[in-house]
Amino acid sequence: AQSVTQLDSHVSVSEGTPVLLRCNYSSSYSPSLFWYVQHPNKGLQLLLKYTSAATLVKGINGFEAEFKKSETSFHLTKPSAHMSDAAEYFCVVSDPSGTYKYIFGTGTRLKVLA
Amino acid sequence: DAGITQSPRHKVTETGTPVTLRCHQTENHRYMYWYRQDPGHGLRLIHYSYGVKDTDKGEVSDGYSVSRSKTEDFLLTLESATSSQTSVYFCAISGLSGTTTIAFFGQGTRLTVV
Repeated sequence: AQSVTQLDSHVSVSEGTPVLLRCNYSSSYSPSLFWYVQHPNKGLQLLLKYTSAATLVKGINGFEAEFKKSETSFHLTKPSAHMSDAAEYFCVVSDPSGTYKYIFGTGTRLKVLA
Repeated sequence: DAGITQSPRHKVTETGTPVTLRCHQTENHRYMYWYRQDPGHGLRLIHYSYGVKDTDKGEVSDGYSVSRSKTEDFLLTLESATSSQTSVYFCAISGLSGTTTIAFFGQGTRLTVV
């Protein structure tokens, strides 16, 4: 069965400092992995996706994630946090059965301090 | 933005009453999904559809039913609403982005059962 574990429910960083949001996955297959962001009272927006083409994936708004098979990790990073990055972030794995169902992590709420 | 519209966006209903939420897409995608979002749980799949009149259960389907009579519409019904069904409900569709299938989400429906 597929699953993802987001290791931190809350992360606080100062504006201008690096962001690290951690995600470990479990999958019997070569997984498709995603990061989505949700700003307060908004829907979900795709940040980036991993589909085995390259282990370092660049997304929108300066975010990137690295797929590490040996560590079963897919951590999300950004070199310099901006106030507008404050949101909830979800790590997601796609069910490989062909139904494209998504399995969500429990989310990490990022707070950016001025 | 993907053409997904959820209605209503907000609803307050009484315990024991039936409630129907509607998801409408203009993308002609085959797969549609209903998720619920609760603090500490991320998003959990309620039901999904892989075509007109073809639906299946997700991980939290008890107390919910769905129908899809047209490609563009996917209805979620709470047969007899309970307070535990107070949540934010998201509809999603799966479509191609480049060579990858990704999920696009609606703006959500906030349902309160009193």
